[in-house]
Amino acid sequence: AQSVTQLGSHVSVSEGALVLLRCNYSSSVPPYLFWYVQYPNQGLQLLLKYTSAATLVKGINGFEAEFKKSETSFHLTKPSAHMSDAAEYFCAVSDQSGGSYIPTFGRGTSLIVHP
Amino acid sequence: GAGVSQSPRYKVAKRGQDVALRCDPISGHVSLFWYQQALGQGPEFLTYFQNEAQLDKSGLPSDRFFAERPEGSVSTLKIQRTQQEDSAVYLCASSARTGANTGELFFGEGSRLTVL
Repeated sequence: AQSVTQLGSHVSVSEGALVLLRCNYSSSVPPYLFWYVQYPNQGLQLLLKYTSAATLVKGINGFEAEFKKSETSFHLTKPSAHMSDAAEYFCAVSDQSGGSYIPTFGRGTSLIVHP
Repeated sequence: GAGVSQSPRYKVAKRGQDVALRCDPISGHVSLFWYQQALGQGPEFLTYFQNEAQLDKSGLPSDRFFAERPEGSVSTLKIQRTQQEDSAVYLCASSARTGANTGELFFGEGSRLTVL
């Protein structure tokens, strides 16, 4: 069975500071990993995905994530936070352990950006 | 349409009422998912369709929950005899892909259900 753990329900940074949102996964087979962002009153949007190609994945809005198999992690980073980055971020894992590729989501991390 | 459309956006039901939530996915998208998102939580999987076939319904919490996608496009999630614990945002997502890249999901804005 697959699962996702997002450490920290809230992360607070100053504008211009490094953003680091943590995600650890559990999967019995090679996983596919995703980060989604949810702005207030909007649906989730795909930020980036890892599908067994390059371990460093670049996404939209300057975000990137690195797949580390030895650490079972897929942390999301951005060098310099912007006020518009304030949102809820969800990590998701998908594998074929259950027969179909059903994405499982973490509980989410709320990113707060201070001016 | 341009994106995934869900209706109604907001629904208030009295305990014991039946509700129906509609999802209109992106045209041509094969895969369709329903998720339940409680306040402060991540989306929890309910059920998955590939075209009109319901391939996985393991996440439906009880037999009061029923989903269908009869023509492989629009889907309806029905909740019978609603209970207060059913209060949540119900998210629909579609994907043009199947298999390993199914996780590239396009989400609707959700239907917020409040059961009094």
